[in-house]
Amino acid sequence: KQEVTQIPAALSVPEGENLVLNCSFTDSAIYNLQWFRQDPGKGLTSLLLIQSSQREQTSGRLNASLDKSSGRSTLYIAASQPGDSATYLCALELVFGAGTILRVKS
Amino acid sequence: DAGVIQSPRHEVTEMGQEVTLRCKPISGHNSLFWYRQTMMRGLELLIYFNNNVPIDDSGMPEDRFSAKMPNASFSTLKIQPSEPRDSAVYFCASSLQGDQSNTGELFFGEGSRLTVL
Repeated sequence: KQEVTQIPAALSVPEGENLVLNCSFTDSAIYNLQWFRQDPGKGLTSLLLIQSSQREQTSGRLNASLDKSSGRSTLYIAASQPGDSATYLCALELVFGAGTILRVKS
Repeated sequence: DAGVIQSPRHEVTEMGQEVTLRCKPISGHNSLFWYRQTMMRGLELLIYFNNNVPIDDSGMPEDRFSAKMPNASFSTLKIQPSEPRDSAVYFCASSLQGDQSNTGELFFGEGSRLTVL
């Protein structure tokens, strides 16, 4: 059974800092890994989808990498902004991690 | 595209009442998923459909929960009778599933916040 762990559970950084969110998983036989953002009281917004044959995906200031051999993915956020404050979740197919609560201080 | 549409956005009901949550997936998507989100347990998959057929309902907590997908553009999640511990946010998501187990990119609705008193 797939288990997904996200570290850290919460992170607070000053505006402008680059940061890394981590996601680890137990079963590397996957097709997709997806990163989401969730604002309070809202649904989940898809940020990046990495297919198993890919090693990374980029969208603007976001870069997600996938290392199946080590069972890890990272979401890199460059030059963080207060508007990036949200909960970030990773999902392996249909199994979600608990998320990382990010706060970017102005 | 309008995205995944869920209704109602908020529902407050009393214990023992029937609750019906509704979902309209993105047009052209062939898979639909119901999730429940709580602070304690995070996001849990309840059930998912592919081409209107239930594929995996192992996440449905009890027989009080049932889900249907009568056509490609509509699904319901019903709780009867409801209990206070069912209070949660219920999300519907849809995707265009590829072959075999490739569930595709998930797109979520805004959720239905259920409070059972």
